Amino acid sequence: GAVVSQHPSWVICKSGTSVKIECRSLDFQATTMFWYRQFPKQSLMLMATSNEGSKATYEQGVEKDKFLINHASLTLSTLTVTSAHPEDSSFYICSARGGLPHPYEQYFGPGTRLTVT
Amino acid sequence: AQRVTQPEKLLSVFKGAPVELKCNYSYSGSPELFWYVQYSRQRLQLLLRHISRESIKGFTADLNKGETSFHLKKPFAQEEDSAMYYCALSGPNYGGSQGNLIFGKGTKLSVKP
Repeated sequence: GAVVSQHPSWVICKSGTSVKIECRSLDFQATTMFWYRQFPKQSLMLMATSNEGSKATYEQGVEKDKFLINHASLTLSTLTVTSAHPEDSSFYICSARGGLPHPYEQYFGPGTRLTVT
Repeated sequence: AQRVTQPEKLLSVFKGAPVELKCNYSYSGSPELFWYVQYSRQRLQLLLRHISRESIKGFTADLNKGETSFHLKKPFAQEEDSAMYYCALSGPNYGGSQGNLIFGKGTKLSVKP
């Protein structure tokens, strides 16, 4: 149980376009979802926390108008990178909380690699 | 400031040797500490958490509040232990509305045959 999926697993987009990344909890209802960003050979940095039906809480330094997060249902959260630039190229990872056997545990998705050309 | 430090980027040991991955933290309060592991081409997964005081896959970690450390140890390393290991902390309200995790930069463990 407690499986989290992400789609797509990798995406290449042109500078100036927008790209949407989906995070789904497959077999549980996620009360909270988290979005992380990971640069090569660096650690995961929390970008934002989203609770179903409410606005996401962004970490300091993360532009909420650039990284739009929508947590419309208990099984789906989306991250939209708007007007993407090459510096947005990174590995984006989501996690979800609410799964069993540990409902307070964060279960991680496999990540999405974004390359902006 | 809240911070997790893993001083070693890479740790290489031979099979059967003891291994210790270091983790130090900075937190004004009583954090919860975790170790996560990421095997090659797999997602991040929880290895163990300090409040459980359990041993997973032969790994243990003891929280030393005096030294603000949470080192991960295994007496006899196996080749299948080769992976990226991340130490992380959360505030005491881990199960609350935020429950943010702060990660260290990770240590790559390589166990040679």
